Amino acid sequence: EIVLTQSPATLSLSPGERATLSCRASQSVSSYLAWYQQKPGQAPRLLIYDASNRATGIPARFSGSGSGTDFTLTISSLEPEDFAVYYCQQRSNWPPWTFGQGTKLEIK
Amino acid sequence: EVQLVESGGVVVQPGGSLRLSCAASGFTFDDYTMHWVRQAPGKGLEWVSLISWDGGSTYYADSVKGRFTISRDNSKNSLYLQMNSLRTEDTALYYCAKEGGNAFDYWGQGTLVTVSS
Repeated sequence: EIVLTQSPATLSLSPGERATLSCRASQSVSSYLAWYQQKPGQAPRLLIYDASNRATGIPARFSGSGSGTDFTLTISSLEPEDFAVYYCQQRSNWPPWTFGQGTKLEIK
Repeated sequence: EVQLVESGGVVVQPGGSLRLSCAASGFTFDDYTMHWVRQAPGKGLEWVSLISWDGGSTYYADSVKGRFTISRDNSKNSLYLQMNSLRTEDTALYYCAKEGGNAFDYWGQGTLVTVSS
């Protein structure tokens, strides 16, 4: 089973700042890496698929990069609605599809 | 507009059984693989199971293998999860999710399963 490790566990930033979230896989997942945003009481929302493709309706301030074992989600300039929990997920070597443990992005 | 609406979550005793349903609309249901994903209270996301577009292939997480069964009825645009021999650690919000672009592109709002005596 591929293990995804996200860092940091918590990221404290202010609106307008740049956020950089990391996801590291225990073995190569090629580009089969997705990112999700989850707000309290809501279902997860797909942000990025195949490492760098924005999902439908996702603002351009969200971008993804990486391949193999190291991936990054970047939010170029934080908006108030961006403070949430972010998960990465892989489907390269399945089953199972696996998720990272999440990064909580909180307001500083 | 894609909609996924789960139902069937209740409080059940350990060892009990439950069947979850997911009603899909807004897309051609029988074109897509569908999944169940769960989230224990205050915890992260855990993939549970998937079923191929025609129901011919199914896969399960090790934690539920032999106890849960995924199925679908394409004539009713519906996905199901039969849950047997429930354990306290199965307590979670259960989401159905549509597969698209090597990811889960649409999610329902979830149905809560609580396993407790």
